[in-house]
Amino acid sequence: GAGVSQSPRYKVAKRGQDVALRCDPISGHVSLFWYQQALGQGPEFLTYFQNEAQLDKSGLPSDRFFAERPEGSVSTLKIQRTQQEDSAVYLCASSLSGQKHNYGYTFGSGTRLTVV
Amino acid sequence: DAKTTQPPSMDCAEGRAANLPCNHSTISGNEYVYWYRQIHSQGPQYIIHGLKNNETNEMASLIITEDRKSSTLILPHATLRDTAVYYCIVPPQAGTALIFGKGTTLSVSS
Repeated sequence: GAGVSQSPRYKVAKRGQDVALRCDPISGHVSLFWYQQALGQGPEFLTYFQNEAQLDKSGLPSDRFFAERPEGSVSTLKIQRTQQEDSAVYLCASSLSGQKHNYGYTFGSGTRLTVV
Repeated sequence: DAKTTQPPSMDCAEGRAANLPCNHSTISGNEYVYWYRQIHSQGPQYIIHGLKNNETNEMASLIITEDRKSSTLILPHATLRDTAVYYCIVPPQAGTALIFGKGTTLSVSS
């Protein structure tokens, strides 16, 4: 597609519920990133994929967070047993290059998750 | 990591130039300066990046001082649509991904 597509755009989950957030990167983009953005804050890095390989998951806040990109294109961020502190906008970004030090990313519009 | 310092907020009149400063005094020789912006309810958008020379594209100009310890993003004729949070980022050479700070909230008014 023309841009990075994320779905759903909004998600309301009851505390304790599992959620799955989807990211469709730009076709052919090698690198894919997930970020979490709390209200009034800058985006915080969660995890990075190069094709299907998850090369960095140092930003995932707990083992309730899990991300995958099994075929090197679409990615899913899963949050188990959601808590209120998980309420945030989850942003996905992709970039064409798999090389380090290329930081020209294209971001999606994000999924706003609200845990009630 | 080269950290950046930006003013929390700035105002600009529509049609005037917006000059957004960024300090990065600990930047090393091979580290680039990147600028992104985030309009309300959207994801961040790449604007421009540079190493040591001044850069210009259709969105903005980037002026980097000779000692590379600071830079200025220039929007030559700001419009209301340029109201956004602007992030100045120096990605670490050994890092994986962009690390965002709090940025500068630019408010353009008519």
